[in-house]
Amino acid sequence: DIVMTQSPDSLAVSLGERATINCKSSQSLLYSSNSKNYLAWYQQKPGQPPKLLIYWASTRESGVPDRFSGSGSGTDFTLTISSLQAEDVAVYYCQQYYFSPFTFGPGTKVNIK
Amino acid sequence: QVQLQESGPGLVKPSETLSLVCTVSGGSISYNYWSWVRQPPGKGLEWIGYVYSSGITKYSPSLESRLTISIDTSKNQFSLKLDSVTAADTAIYYCARAETTYYDDSRGHHAWPSWFDPWGQGTLVTVSS
Repeated sequence: DIVMTQSPDSLAVSLGERATINCKSSQSLLYSSNSKNYLAWYQQKPGQPPKLLIYWASTRESGVPDRFSGSGSGTDFTLTISSLQAEDVAVYYCQQYYFSPFTFGPGTKVNIK
Repeated sequence: QVQLQESGPGLVKPSETLSLVCTVSGGSISYNYWSWVRQPPGKGLEWIGYVYSSGITKYSPSLESRLTISIDTSKNQFSLKLDSVTAADTAIYYCARAETTYYDDSRGHHAWPSWFDPWGQGTLVTVSS
C-alpha cells in the first residue's frame, strides 16, 4: 500500500497569514505517460463530509477560493493557504489515487492563532 | 448537481452484518465509479472500496474478506455490506463518487477512479450490543 504522511499534525496561523501543509507519499504518484500526479486535497470542517479542494496535485476545484493552491510532484506535495480566513479552520487531508487501495494522509488541523 | 445520501441502521450488534445504501440523485449512476469511505469518530479517513456501474468492484485488502459492495442501476443506488462487525467498525460511513479519469498504456485506453466528489453527508454506525 502507498503510505501517506502529513506534516505538521496541526498548526495555528494568524488571520491573513500563510498556512503550509506538507504531504509525502511512500512512492511516486507521478504517472510518466501523462505527467500527472495522482494526488488530491480535501478540507473537512466539524460535522461535515470532506470537500474536494485540489486534484492532479495542483488543479483547483471549481468554486474553491484562489487562496488555496497545491504544488509538488513525485512524492512531495504542499497545500498552501495564502491568506488564512476564519472559515478555513478545518482538517486538511491529502489522498493518493495512483494505486489501489486509495489512501489518505492522517490529516492536518488548521486553527487561528 | 449530483447528490448522495446514505441510509441504514445506526446501531449494529457485534458479529452481525452492517448494511448501508447510498442513493444517488440529480444524475445517473451509470458510467461512474462509486465509493465508500469511513471515518472512526475523531480519526482519519479510510477508503473501503468502489463499484463501477457495470458491477466491477475493488476492495480494501484489510476489509475484503468481510465486504460486499453492489450496485442497482435501476434504483440509482449502491450498497455496502460488512460482515462480522466489531467495535472497530464503528465509524461515520460516507458514500462518494470517484471521478473517472483516463490513462493510456501499452495495452490501450483505460478508465480509472480518481478523486472523490461529491460526498454524502455520512451516517454514523455504532457497533455495540
